Amino acid sequence: AQSVAQPEDQVNVAEGNPLTVKCTYSVSGNPYLFWYVQYPNRGLQFLLKYITGDNLVKGSYGFEAEFNKSQTSFHLKKPSALVSDSALYFCAVRDITGGSYIPTFGRGTSLIVHP
Amino acid sequence: EPEVTQTPSHQVTQMGQEVILRCVPISNHLYFYWYRQILGQKVEFLVSFYNNEISEKSEIFDDQFSVERPDGSNFTLKIRSTKLEDSAMYFCASSEAAGGNEQFFGPGTRLTVL
Repeated sequence: AQSVAQPEDQVNVAEGNPLTVKCTYSVSGNPYLFWYVQYPNRGLQFLLKYITGDNLVKGSYGFEAEFNKSQTSFHLKKPSALVSDSALYFCAVRDITGGSYIPTFGRGTSLIVHP
Repeated sequence: EPEVTQTPSHQVTQMGQEVILRCVPISNHLYFYWYRQILGQKVEFLVSFYNNEISEKSEIFDDQFSVERPDGSNFTLKIRSTKLEDSAMYFCASSEAAGGNEQFFGPGTRLTVL
């Protein structure tokens, strides 16, 4: 079984400050992990993924995420937030030892960056 | 940059009517998906499609739903007899392969069932 949790419904940060959007996961085997962003009235847009290799993954728009196996986490980070980063962020996980090729999405975290 | 397109952007229908939601996946992708997102809630998987057949489906995807790839470009989701609770945003997605490949999502069709 695979599941993902995004413990915060909303994250508020001031422009220029670092941001973190949290994600924890649960899988039976090893995970594939993804972050997507959704802007208003748009579809989900891929940001980055962890498959294997370096635990720190860099993605689009200056975002990065760190895979932490011991804490089963994959938090999304950015050193300096922009107002334009305000959107809904979804974490997703797929258990590579499971029988399904379909990722499970979290409930989403609304990121609000204040000017 | 290639993208997934969906039509219509908004569909309003009466309960019990049939609707067809259309998608054009990215041309070299082989795997196609439908998801839905009820307002304010999580993204829910409906069905995946590969090699002209359903590869996986969720419990939501019951006999009222069907998918089809009628030609080399379109991928459709049909709801035979819509219910009020079918009101949601429906997203089509495609990917080059399964496994670790990311999915590319379309802009969605907002379905409103009255």
